[in-house]
Amino acid sequence: DAGVTQSPTHLIKTRGQQVTLRCSPKSGHDTVSWYQQALGQGPQFIFQYYEEEERQRGNFPDRFSGHQFPNYSSELNVNALLLGDSALYLCASSLTGQGVYEQYFGPGTRLTVT
Amino acid sequence: GENVEQHPSTLSVQEGDSAVIKCTYSDSASNYFPWYKQELGKGPQLIIDIRSNVGEKKDQRIAVTLNKTAKHFSLHITETQPEDSAVYFCAASTSSNTGKLIFGQGTTLQVKP
Repeated sequence: DAGVTQSPTHLIKTRGQQVTLRCSPKSGHDTVSWYQQALGQGPQFIFQYYEEEERQRGNFPDRFSGHQFPNYSSELNVNALLLGDSALYLCASSLTGQGVYEQYFGPGTRLTVT
Repeated sequence: GENVEQHPSTLSVQEGDSAVIKCTYSDSASNYFPWYKQELGKGPQLIIDIRSNVGEKKDQRIAVTLNKTAKHFSLHITETQPEDSAVYFCAASTSSNTGKLIFGQGTTLQVKP
């Protein structure tokens, strides 16, 4: 049973650049949520994708955008990178419907902005 | 707004002792409370969860309790082992539709052999 996978593992970008992170959900899941985890902090909700649409968004600027594909995989895009965007970006997958709440996280992508 | 407070931030115990981590939440509409364990360099791993219609849940050496009136919930680990050493996060979900999670700040648990 394939768990949640993310790529790349690590990424180094320069301030002002753009970045795309990728996530494949756990087999059988249809919903992908993205979280940002700064060093020493708990994860913070960025947004969630279901049926290829953004269903809910956290308190993040429009520089953060996403996409979900028909196979349920997802991308997170960040434009005009700031030093403060350096963090671990986590993808979590879940199954919408039937009152199922469990979210399973991938290993994350460590983004460093210099 | 939505907020989850977690205490303590660090916890050191001897192997075999019990460990307790406590969280409080602000939104009374919260109805789902998971706990995650995060090891260095890895993503958070779901270890146990509880729904608002249940007061306590156990799974081997770990248990979670929920007090809806006081809006707090706790993680109890008994007979701790060195491999329990990690950062533990509590979370609360305020949306039954999307399950958006609000996380606490984390507790670093160290189990000394």
